[in-house]
Amino acid sequence: EAAVTQSPRNKVAVTGGKVTLSCNQTNNHNNMYWYRQDTGHGLRLIHYSYGAGSTEKGDIPDGYKASRPSQENFSLILELATPSQTSVYFCASGDIAETLYFGSGTRLTVL
Amino acid sequence: QQKVQQSPESLIVPEGGMASLNCTSSDRNVDYFWWYRQHSGKSPKMLMSIFSNGEKEEGRFTVHLNKASLHTSLHIRDSQPSDSALYLCAASMNYNQGKLIFGQGTKLSIKP
Repeated sequence: EAAVTQSPRNKVAVTGGKVTLSCNQTNNHNNMYWYRQDTGHGLRLIHYSYGAGSTEKGDIPDGYKASRPSQENFSLILELATPSQTSVYFCASGDIAETLYFGSGTRLTVL
Repeated sequence: QQKVQQSPESLIVPEGGMASLNCTSSDRNVDYFWWYRQHSGKSPKMLMSIFSNGEKEEGRFTVHLNKASLHTSLHIRDSQPSDSALYLCAASMNYNQGKLIFGQGTKLSIKP
């Protein structure tokens, strides 16, 4: 089965601090995604990528940056974390049929 | 406005009963629909996909799609306690391949 690994699993950050969430996939999928999940909102798309070197804005990109240095790795960066960014973050890779394979998630708390 | 709307928000079904979940897109450019299932504390996993009008059945699960009304539904017969989960509908638009938009989900609880 497709493998997507996220790190860290849990993170506590302070307001104004920098946070980097990492994602690695071994599926050789071109597309990768970052979503956040909050109660009542389902999954909301932050950034996505079509391949190494590319990043695209999703529906809620404000306050987030993304980096895709290689086919396998896709990072989400919060330069100045705020309490409103407290959430569960999921990374996913997508195959040619657009089926998504999700990582286990990162629970981020910004104090 | 959310482009993918799901109803109901939550649903309680007795064990052995039929669960019916709905999903509608407000974007006429929608191409394909997926249904994902997410058990509590876990990550979402693809359950079924449907790309053309009609019906698709896999075991106890049946998906319907009506492209004219941009509506898809998921039906689970003989519901089991293990079916208790958050069900997420996702859609992709033909002008932006690879970008999936999710609905807010339906929380299904199967009552023994």
